[in-house]
Amino acid sequence: GDSVTQMEGPVTLSEEAFLTINCTYTATGYPSLFWYVQYPGEGLQLLLKATKADDKGSNKGFEATYRKETTSFHLEKGSVQVSDSAVYFCALSGGRSNDYKLSFGAGTTVTVRA
Amino acid sequence: ETGVTQSPTHLIKTRGQQVTLRCSSQSGHNTVSWYQQALGQGPQFIFQYYREEENGRGNFPPRFSGLQFPNYSSELNVNALELDDSALYLCASRGGYEQYFGPGTRLTVT
Repeated sequence: GDSVTQMEGPVTLSEEAFLTINCTYTATGYPSLFWYVQYPGEGLQLLLKATKADDKGSNKGFEATYRKETTSFHLEKGSVQVSDSAVYFCALSGGRSNDYKLSFGAGTTVTVRA
Repeated sequence: ETGVTQSPTHLIKTRGQQVTLRCSSQSGHNTVSWYQQALGQGPQFIFQYYREEENGRGNFPPRFSGLQFPNYSSELNVNALELDDSALYLCASRGGYEQYFGPGTRLTVT
């Protein structure tokens, strides 16, 4: 079945450091790929998405490129802020008709220190 | 703000009891999914409803059941609660490729 493997945390960084979180996937067909963020005590927020190979999703300084050849969707940000401290989840959905369930990775906790 | 609301925010139940969680989806979204997120883990898909019919289910036993109403709001019912059912339960409504999540209901089973 479909699955997502993402870099284990926790990750601790200083403000303005470069962040990368690795994510690889296994899926049949042509899935859509997502990064969600969860701030303490809150639900999930969609951070960015890519629906086909070579698409780049971007939002709030974060970027991820859908790489079909390496089945990867790594998340990057060039200069993190304390407010980026959260748990980040990589996810995929099959995209077939009526098959939009999301399969999530285990999450990566990121802490940014001032 | 996603427009998806859930109630209650928190609740505590005893093993063996039954619980009903509620979700109001974003306006115009006719597909609702439920996810269980255990502490320190990623969300796991429970089931999905499309126009009041269940049309997808994850690896959860039948004591997890649901309903979707004509206004596309939804309920998740869990019977015979077990300690391992303690988790954050998330509802999501779908628009296009994206799913919009509510803030969740934190269920504690003692």
